[in-house]
Amino acid sequence: SQQGEEDPQALSIQEGENATMNCSYKTSINNLQWYRQNSGRGLVHLILIRSNEREKHSGRLRVTLDTSKKSSSLLITASRAADTASYFCATGTGANSKLTFGKGITLSVRP
Amino acid sequence: GAVVSQHPSRVICKSGTSVKIECRSLDFQATTMFWYRQFPKQSLMLMATSNEGSKATYEQGVEKDKFLINHASLTLSTLTVTSAHPEDSSFYICSARESNYGYTFGSGTRLTVV
Repeated sequence: SQQGEEDPQALSIQEGENATMNCSYKTSINNLQWYRQNSGRGLVHLILIRSNEREKHSGRLRVTLDTSKKSSSLLITASRAADTASYFCATGTGANSKLTFGKGITLSVRP
Repeated sequence: GAVVSQHPSRVICKSGTSVKIECRSLDFQATTMFWYRQFPKQSLMLMATSNEGSKATYEQGVEKDKFLINHASLTLSTLTVTSAHPEDSSFYICSARESNYGYTFGSGTRLTVV
């Protein structure tokens, strides 16, 4: 069953703008991960945040986690056309647990 | 970084035939691999967890006899869709656990059953 619920489901922005995507989940987690998927391709791991962390950065990516609200956000700053893809959050309940994916967000960045 | 190779990338088969999809970890050993199914514009649904040297653990609602999983070595897991039907047409993706939290995904297999 799906754990995460991202919003918005689709986002269209202009190149250079920031893109913010949100993910909510239902059960307790050990970690939350964000993945990117280009059309018809596999998933690429973007960033992982553990349940005891509140914020993490990686390049143009910034992830926050609020365990009290069971939610996470992914911010992509200074977006590029190449950022156009689907983005998924996935939650894990332990170090060796399986991942449960949200429904995904389709991001379109207009050149 | 860790690489997972998945083959074939696309396959078209006739209804009633079987199709085998391979998932290989190229530069690391994966005791656990995962098989997902993804319908167009939808999320990934976990089908089964493949453990090297033991039987796969299937998710509720996934037919074990239809989706055969074999994980005979630390670098190879296979998914065989037996007696495929058009409703089995989908995008199948494997992933391998490289570390406690690191998961690497294959590039997916587009299966079309005609």
